[in-house]
Amino acid sequence: ETGVTQSPTHLIKTRGQQVTLRCSSQSGHNTVSWYQQALGQGPQFIFQYYREEENGRGNFPPRFSGLQFPNYSSELNVNALELDDSALYLCASSPGTPQYFGPGTRLTVT
Amino acid sequence: DAKTTQPNSMESNEEEPVHLPCNHSTISGTDYIHWYRQLPSQGPEYVIHGLTSNVNNRMASLAIAEDRKSSTLILHRATLRDAAVYYCILRARTNNNDMRFGAGTRLTVKP
Repeated sequence: ETGVTQSPTHLIKTRGQQVTLRCSSQSGHNTVSWYQQALGQGPQFIFQYYREEENGRGNFPPRFSGLQFPNYSSELNVNALELDDSALYLCASSPGTPQYFGPGTRLTVT
Repeated sequence: DAKTTQPNSMESNEEEPVHLPCNHSTISGTDYIHWYRQLPSQGPEYVIHGLTSNVNNRMASLAIAEDRKSSTLILHRATLRDAAVYYCILRARTNNNDMRFGAGTRLTVKP
C-alpha cells in the first residue's frame, strides 16, 4: 500500500466532454505528479505540482490542467476529450524520493 | 533528458537470480539512476536508486558501471511476484519529480 488513492477507478466519456480525475496523497507529500499511460507503453509525464503551483510540465496541450489543494488532494482536468486520451492516468506523490504511485484511473473515450 | 535503453523482455526461473540491464551512455554527472517496476494492474512501485556506488536494499541490488554508462538491477532470487515491467529512469539531482519512463523490460518468471 502506497497511501495514494485515486478516484474513480474506471470512467467512460464521450469525445468532446470534460473529465476530472482525483488523487489523494499521503500527508506531508508536497509534490504530486500526473502521468498518462497508454496501453502497452510506459507512463508519460503530464505535469507536477509543488505546494499548489505547477512547476513542471511534459509535452501535453493546455487542455490538460490540474489543481493541488492544501489537504494533499489534487485533480487532473481534461477538456475537449479526444479518442487518444483513452489511457490509464496515474498520480504520484512524494516528499522528494521516491515517488509513491496510486493505482490509476482507467479513462475510456468513445 | 538523457535516454535509457533496456531489452524489451526477459525470462527467469523462479528462485534464480535475475540481472536486468540498462544502458544510459549520455548520462550526466548529476543524474541519479532510478528503477521502478509495475506489476499487472497496479501503479509503478519504487525499487532502488543510486548515483555512483552500488546500492542494496531489501528488494534488490543496483550495480553501476564505473563509467556510469550502464547499470544492472539484480533480483537475487526471483519469485512469481517479481513478474512485472521494470523501468530504468535517469533523474537529475535538481529535478523534483519529473520521471521520464521508457518502455521498460517485461520480466517473466517461470515456476
